Amino acid sequence: SSELTQDPAVSVALGQTVRITCQGDSLRNYYASWYQQKPGQAPLLVIYGKNNRPSGIPDRFSASSSGNTASLTITGAQAEDEADYYCNSRDTSGNHPYVFGTGTKVTVL
Amino acid sequence: QVQLQESGPGLVKPSGTLSLTCAVSGGSISSTNWWSWVRQPPQKGLEWIGEISHSGSTNYNPSLKSRVTISVDKSKNQFSLKLSSVTAADTAIYYCTRDWNDVSEGDWFDPWGQGTLVTVSS
Repeated sequence: SSELTQDPAVSVALGQTVRITCQGDSLRNYYASWYQQKPGQAPLLVIYGKNNRPSGIPDRFSASSSGNTASLTITGAQAEDEADYYCNSRDTSGNHPYVFGTGTKVTVL
Repeated sequence: QVQLQESGPGLVKPSGTLSLTCAVSGGSISSTNWWSWVRQPPQKGLEWIGEISHSGSTNYNPSLKSRVTISVDKSKNQFSLKLSSVTAADTAIYYCTRDWNDVSEGDWFDPWGQGTLVTVSS
């Protein structure tokens, strides 16, 4: 099975832009989906597919992809964006099994 | 909209079997979606456990496959997880979620249940 690697932690000044990356071989063939998780809460889908936001997710969240790297960008980070973020994709085998990224803790300064 | 709610014992003895149920409300489990279980050990990341379709087809994480059984009960609009031979390493918050699979946009999980903590201890 494949792995999806994320930086453990990043920080961003209030109102500035932060990019969270997710690296893995499977991303050459599959889109990543992205999840926000705040302490004590369940994960929340923020981005899926090429660059789609579920209803209720602010447009400051966007996604991109190149080669084996998928990225989640928060443009104009807000205090409420402080959370853990996880990417997810299919396993490189192409079977149904999925794999989550290692997670990135985003701190808004 | 669809809501998911996990339920089951919060404490399981080592070598025992963990059993959880996910009740689906606001929609039918017999939709075209698949349904997944995901877990998160304390202070650690997310791990996909496995999934089931409304017809009972399953796929499992290879690392857990020998111990996992996921089943569906359409009459009760719910699906279940059984994990056998548990150890302390299986202590985690267990979430249920709905899979979405699209030819153009790939795959994603939404919504998620609130999660339930299962502790493996004697």
